[in-house]
Amino acid sequence: DGGITQSPKYLFRKEGQNVTLSCEQNLNHDAMYWYRQDPGQGLRLIYYSQIVNDFQKGDIAEGYSVSREKKESFPLTVTSAQKNPTAFYLCASSTGTSYEQYFGPGTRLTVT
Amino acid sequence: GESVGLHLPTLSVQEGDNSIINCAYSNSASDYFIWYKQESGKGPQFIIDIRSNMDKRQGQRVTVLLNKTVKHLSLQIAATQPGDSAVYFCAEKKRGTSYGKLTFGQGTILTVHP
Repeated sequence: DGGITQSPKYLFRKEGQNVTLSCEQNLNHDAMYWYRQDPGQGLRLIYYSQIVNDFQKGDIAEGYSVSREKKESFPLTVTSAQKNPTAFYLCASSTGTSYEQYFGPGTRLTVT
Repeated sequence: GESVGLHLPTLSVQEGDNSIINCAYSNSASDYFIWYKQESGKGPQFIIDIRSNMDKRQGQRVTVLLNKTVKHLSLQIAATQPGDSAVYFCAEKKRGTSYGKLTFGQGTILTVHP
């Protein structure tokens, strides 16, 4: 089945540690996105990539980094510089001809 | 600033009733709108979308209405079922922004009582 996978579903880290969230898609989509969702709030864009080896900052990129070495993969690193990293992280992808974004199941990150 | 928002944060309906979820947007330059459904602990799922050159679009049990005069978007769900209980988000794309860059509203919680 085609889709987007995110792993792990739950992730726990100590403050001060960097952590990388995985996102893989087999939809052959060109564009991929990372969002952050906090309780009772909408989705806020962290980073997005429209093609391999290229990505742009979204609205809340500070404290995060990404890479896009392969079309199907778009990992997100939450660095120790992110002041409030505990959140639900969602990865999405879209084709180059439609604005509709397909979402993965999300990773819930808890930093203590 | 320019944003997408919702009139009501929660909506409770009885099974079988019709539901209307509203979304106000302030950016008149937006040319595409989309509704997503998010169940607890899961990623959002596409429901329906509409371009700014349309006023209405229908899907299976859902209808999206766009009123550009008052910058208002609504999602109508017919014969609401318990499985429709979720958070519903509207999102917009501003004309001229990078391809696929959507701005999401805060969401409305829909609760359907059997």
